Amino acid sequence: SAVISQKPSRDICQRGTSLTIQCQVDSQVTMMFWYRQQPGQSLTLIATANQGSEATYESGFVIDKFPISRPNLTFSTLTVSNMSPEDSSIYLCSVQIGGIGEKLFFGSGTQLSVL
Amino acid sequence: AQSVAQPEDQVNVAEGNPLTVKCTYSVSGNPYLFWYVQYPNRGLQFLLKYITGDNLVKGSYGFEAEFNKSQTSFHLKKPSALVSDSALYFCAVRDIGTGGFKTIFGAGTRLFVKA
Repeated sequence: SAVISQKPSRDICQRGTSLTIQCQVDSQVTMMFWYRQQPGQSLTLIATANQGSEATYESGFVIDKFPISRPNLTFSTLTVSNMSPEDSSIYLCSVQIGGIGEKLFFGSGTQLSVL
Repeated sequence: AQSVAQPEDQVNVAEGNPLTVKCTYSVSGNPYLFWYVQYPNRGLQFLLKYITGDNLVKGSYGFEAEFNKSQTSFHLKKPSALVSDSALYFCAVRDIGTGGFKTIFGAGTRLFVKA
């Protein structure tokens, strides 16, 4: 199993600023994912972040807007840059431990509101 | 590309009655299928998965799901619903043929169990 600590749990930011979300895992993991979720709605994958390689972004998400760091096997950050109200959402860190058939573990999320 | 559909935004059922939450998927290779649950103000939790083998898989909290390859479905079921089952349920698919480790989520189905 895995315990994921995500910070901050929530924040209110001004338009045009940036916010960095931290994700700390209590064990070493290779596969880490960042998702976005509108309250009560589905999860959209932003990017896959594997240690030792560049993050892989999904269609509609770009590195300039959502830069990701993965300095080691237990930590990652997602930055939401030059924020606009459309970026208001819940951002979730997720990890997969073990093989390709294993489940995902999720952090509690970061609720971001952009004014 | 892989995709998953949950045709019902909401399912209402009386306590003690059986419940079904529907899910269909589309992949180019062999699917790995998952169900997750999100309780109010809590993170996503894994319920069950299908990788291979018996088409009927059992999971947490008395839930089970049936994999039907011909209908490309993976419906979630429970013989007797509890009020505490009220939550948001997500079906998810991982296409090991082309999608690698990426997990794609359905839109979610909100389950209301009435006492």
